[in-house]
Amino acid sequence: GAVVSQHPSWVICKSGTSVKIECRSLDFQATTMFWYRQFPKQSLMLMATSNEGSKATYEQGVEKDKFLINHASLTLSTLTVTSAHPEDSSFYICSARPPGQGYGNTIYFGEGSWLTVV
Amino acid sequence: AQTVTQSQPEMSVQEAETVTLSCTYDTSESNYYLFWYKQPPSRQMILVIRQEAYKQQNATENRFSVNFQKAAKSFSLKISDSQLGDTAMYFCAFMKHTGNTPLVFGKGTRLSVIA
Repeated sequence: GAVVSQHPSWVICKSGTSVKIECRSLDFQATTMFWYRQFPKQSLMLMATSNEGSKATYEQGVEKDKFLINHASLTLSTLTVTSAHPEDSSFYICSARPPGQGYGNTIYFGEGSWLTVV
Repeated sequence: AQTVTQSQPEMSVQEAETVTLSCTYDTSESNYYLFWYKQPPSRQMILVIRQEAYKQQNATENRFSVNFQKAAKSFSLKISDSQLGDTAMYFCAFMKHTGNTPLVFGKGTRLSVIA
């Protein structure tokens, strides 16, 4: 079945540095991917919609200059947390929906990435 | 805009018993999808069950079933014969039928299955 893979699963970085998280659709082309952030004991909060070949659409309150999203190909979207600070520490997860009806209109999630900024 | 409400932050159930998790939603869409996702401590999002709004028949997946009341905008999840492995966060989610739109999640219900 369709699979979305996310990398890295865990990352620790120093304050002020940037870190990149990748989200790949392994057996389907995804013109759109979604990035969520999840704080402890809370729900998934949509950060942005990643669109292949065009600019991402950010949700209200999400800093687009801090959370850079690039969707350069039909199978890869990246989220770069720039000038990371400890408050950016969180669980980030991506999702994608295969086109057409072949996959039953199912949303697939990556495994998620734990970011810790020290 | 769509909203999803889960009014039970935490619930517990004895092993082998049945538990029902509540979910209500608000939308002006006539056709849409509703989902229940399970999130264990690993944080992996696992699809439990899906319901298409235009289908009147309630979806069922083994021990999991839903009570979908479209007029009332209610979508509850029933877990029968609860197992220890069912312990997790459960999220109710809404998705529009048309277009490539994201899931809208409720705040979640933490379910504990007690031996």
